[in-house]
Amino acid sequence: DAGVTQSPTHLIKTRGQQVTLRCSPKSGHDTVSWYQQALGQGPQFIFQYYEEEERQRGNFPDRFSGHQFPNYSSELNVNALLLGDSALYLCASSWATSGYTFGSGTRLTVV
Amino acid sequence: TQLLEQSPQFLSIQEGENLTVYCNSSSVFSSLQWYRQEPGEGPVLLVTVVTGGEVKKLKRLTFQFGDARKDSSLHITAAQPGDTGLYLCAGALGSGGSNYKLTFGKGTLLTVNP
Repeated sequence: DAGVTQSPTHLIKTRGQQVTLRCSPKSGHDTVSWYQQALGQGPQFIFQYYEEEERQRGNFPDRFSGHQFPNYSSELNVNALLLGDSALYLCASSWATSGYTFGSGTRLTVV
Repeated sequence: TQLLEQSPQFLSIQEGENLTVYCNSSSVFSSLQWYRQEPGEGPVLLVTVVTGGEVKKLKRLTFQFGDARKDSSLHITAAQPGDTGLYLCAGALGSGGSNYKLTFGKGTLLTVNP
């Protein structure tokens, strides 16, 4: 049974560009949450999607947006990339009261 | 803003030693989770504690949730090199079901030397 799958695994973008990261949740999970983990820090909550709608949002600017599809997969979009957006972006899926299952993340480097 | 502080930030010990990692907050959480993260991977859930004063054991790992549900500790007995990794505590806030978000501490980077 595949866990959470994220793509791509690594990405290098130039400042000002836009990026889309993708996540397929664990089978049976209907909720997807996105986290940003800067080097040496714990993950920070970006937002959560459930039933194709953004249900909760952390303290991130509107440059960060997302989407959830009918098959529960999700995308994270970041516009107008800044150097400070360089981080590991983690997707986590869950269902009901289950704990989170995290993917291995997408390492984004902005140059 | 809810903050979780973990200590120590770094810990390097010899195989066979015992250790304790602490996670403290001024906020009350509905539950607290502990994760272990290895380089290049996402965090893996170790345990969820829900009730104040709760103690859970997972082989050589013992987790405790404070009575006031603001703090937690992770104790590892007879550490092994395979225990090496970043240990993260995360407090959960939400309205139930899957509708919760996690606030993570910065983590404790544990190195167990053979």
